[in-house]
Amino acid sequence: SQQGEEDPQALSIQEGENATMNCSYKTSINNLQWYRQNSGRGLVHLILIRSNEREKHSGRLRVTLDTSKKSSSLLITASRAADTASYFCATDPTQGGSEKLVFGKGTKLTVNP
Amino acid sequence: DAGITQSPRYKITETGRQVTLMCHQTWSHSYMFWYRQDLGHGLRLIYYSAAADITDKGEVPDGYVVSRSKTENFPLTLESATRSQTSVYFCASSDIRGRYGYTFGSGTRLTVV
Repeated sequence: SQQGEEDPQALSIQEGENATMNCSYKTSINNLQWYRQNSGRGLVHLILIRSNEREKHSGRLRVTLDTSKKSSSLLITASRAADTASYFCATDPTQGGSEKLVFGKGTKLTVNP
Repeated sequence: DAGITQSPRYKITETGRQVTLMCHQTWSHSYMFWYRQDLGHGLRLIYYSAAADITDKGEVPDGYVVSRSKTENFPLTLESATRSQTSVYFCASSDIRGRYGYTFGSGTRLTVV
């Protein structure tokens, strides 16, 4: 069963605009990760934020985490056509002795030139 | 995708046939995973392995068999392929519990006719 749920399911913006995607999850986590998937390719790890962190930056990416609301957001600033892809959040649950990430269904981002 | 390769890239097989998807990683990662990706379901974990000779079921293991005799290889076998196993299959690897992110292969698109 999916732990993370991304919102919106699809997002279409113009080049240069910012894109914001959200992820909600249900149980406590060790960390939350964001991945990108270009069409026909595997997922690529973008950024990891630990449960004791609130914000993290990597280049044009900004991730926030609110553990009280069990939610995270991924902001891509000054988007480019090359950012067109699906974006997935994945959570590392604290409970259950699990050694596996649980992925959401993704947000499909289209950046129009 | 450097360091983890999947083969074949595309495969068409008939119902009832046995088919094996290969996954090879050069990172010496302890953990390896098999996911399937279907529209509307996102990524679902089939099997995972914490080390050579240690495997465990994921969310959707029925109809699949895995083995891991060497750290670098993690083949996935469909014992008797069914149409419902038509999907895109991704192999991934990570070091400690995915805490530094997973590395994904490029995927195998399997069609069962």
